[in-house]
Amino acid sequence: GENVEQHPSTLSVQEGDSAVIKCTYSDSASNYFPWYKQELGKRPQLIIDIRSNVGEKKDQRIAVTLNKTAKHFSLHITETQPEDSAVYFCAAAISSGSARQLTFGSGTQLTVLP
Amino acid sequence: DAGITQSPRHKVTETGTPVTLRCHQTENHRYMYWYRQDPGHGLRLIHYSYGVKDTDKGEVSDGYSVSRSKTEDFLLTLESATSSQTSVYFCAIGGQGAYNEQFFGPGTRLTVL
Repeated sequence: GENVEQHPSTLSVQEGDSAVIKCTYSDSASNYFPWYKQELGKRPQLIIDIRSNVGEKKDQRIAVTLNKTAKHFSLHITETQPEDSAVYFCAAAISSGSARQLTFGSGTQLTVLP
Repeated sequence: DAGITQSPRHKVTETGTPVTLRCHQTENHRYMYWYRQDPGHGLRLIHYSYGVKDTDKGEVSDGYSVSRSKTEDFLLTLESATSSQTSVYFCAIGGQGAYNEQFFGPGTRLTVL
């Protein structure tokens, strides 16, 4: 089955700096890569996703890049703010048939220092 | 938030007792999922459903069973709870067609003593 590795497990940045979280996946058939943000005690919430037919996607201060050859994808947050502090999870899935199973990374605790 | 609720939100039970968690959606989504979340493991898929009475196992299905008798409800049962099943359980619903967006419910914190 799919295996997703996520690094780093913790990340501290100064407010206004950029943060980068990286994930690698094992199954070359995976073609859908979402990122979730989870605040303490809350549910995971989808913040951005990318499909394997594109290499980069941006949404305001958040961007995701995908390198299919190397089987890795990254989340970039620019101009970080204290409200960006949360746990971020990457995931990978194969979009085919009836199987819509997401395999998640182990998470990155991002702390934005004021 | 998508129309997903979970009940109960918190439960403490003893080893060996049966436990049923309920996920209810008002979005009429075909796909529903149960995950567990443990420190250092992210979210791991327990079981999922692709329609009424259609279910399949996920990565960590041992010790769990599910049922889906109607579109809006997906039940997760621990037949005989163990301390290793202490976790936060999240239900999720999936998008239609070729899209895979999954939206999560608020979670159930289960403690097995």
